Amino acid sequence: NAGVTQTPKFRILKIGQSMTLQCTQDMNHNYMYWYRQDPGMGLKLIYYSVGAGITDKGEVPNGYNVSRSTTEDFPLRLELAAPSQTSVYFCASELSRGPTTYSNQPQHFGDGTRLSIL
Amino acid sequence: QKEVEQDPGPLSVPEGAIVSLNCTYSNSAFQYFMWYRQYSRKGPELLMYTYSSGNKEDGRFTAQVDKSSKYISLFIRDSQPSDSATYLCAMSFNTGGFKTIFGAGTRLFVKA
Repeated sequence: NAGVTQTPKFRILKIGQSMTLQCTQDMNHNYMYWYRQDPGMGLKLIYYSVGAGITDKGEVPNGYNVSRSTTEDFPLRLELAAPSQTSVYFCASELSRGPTTYSNQPQHFGDGTRLSIL
Repeated sequence: QKEVEQDPGPLSVPEGAIVSLNCTYSNSAFQYFMWYRQYSRKGPELLMYTYSSGNKEDGRFTAQVDKSSKYISLFIRDSQPSDSATYLCAMSFNTGGFKTIFGAGTRLFVKA
C-alpha cells in the first residue's frame, strides 16, 4: 500500500516557467489537499478537493491551479513560476470529514516536493 | 496575532527525559486538536488527536487540551533518539469547512 505518492521529489525552475506537481493516492480517499510549508510558517492550504470534479481554494491559492478528474489524482499546476513559490509542497488525503465522524480520519501526507524558483 | 502559536525550538534533551511541547491558540471555536510528527524530508504523520478538552494517552505520548486557557500540550515520556523530529500541532473546527490550522512546528533533538 503506497499511500500518498508525490512526484517529483525535487525540482528547480526558472522564473516564468510552468510545471505540474503530481499527487496520487491509492486509499480511495475522497478528500485531497495541497499545502505549502515554508520555514517557521507551518503548513498553508493552497487548494482542496472533496471528490472527483470538485475543487476549492484554500488560504493561499494565487499562482496555482488544480484539477481532480479521478479520485486518485490531484495535480497542482504552477503557470508562471515566481521566487515566492519556492517552498516544500505537500499533498494529503483524507477518507472523509463530517460532523460526527472526524475521529479516526487523519490526513495522510506524501513526502513532499521541494521546489526552488531561481 | 497568529491563530496558532508554537515555539520553534530547537529543544534538545537527553535520552530518557520527559518532553513537553506546547501550542497556544486564539480561536475558541476550535474543537479538534492534533499532533503530527515530521521527520526530516518526510511528510507529517498523525501522532495524536483529541476532541474538546481533556487528556489522551497512547503509549509514551500524552496529549492534553485546556480549552479554558486555549493551550494544548504533548508530553513524551522516556524520550528516545528516534523521537528526534519536528512536532506540529494542528486544530480544526467541529463542522463544516476544511480548514486545519497548523502550528509552525517545534524541532526536538533527543541525545543518546
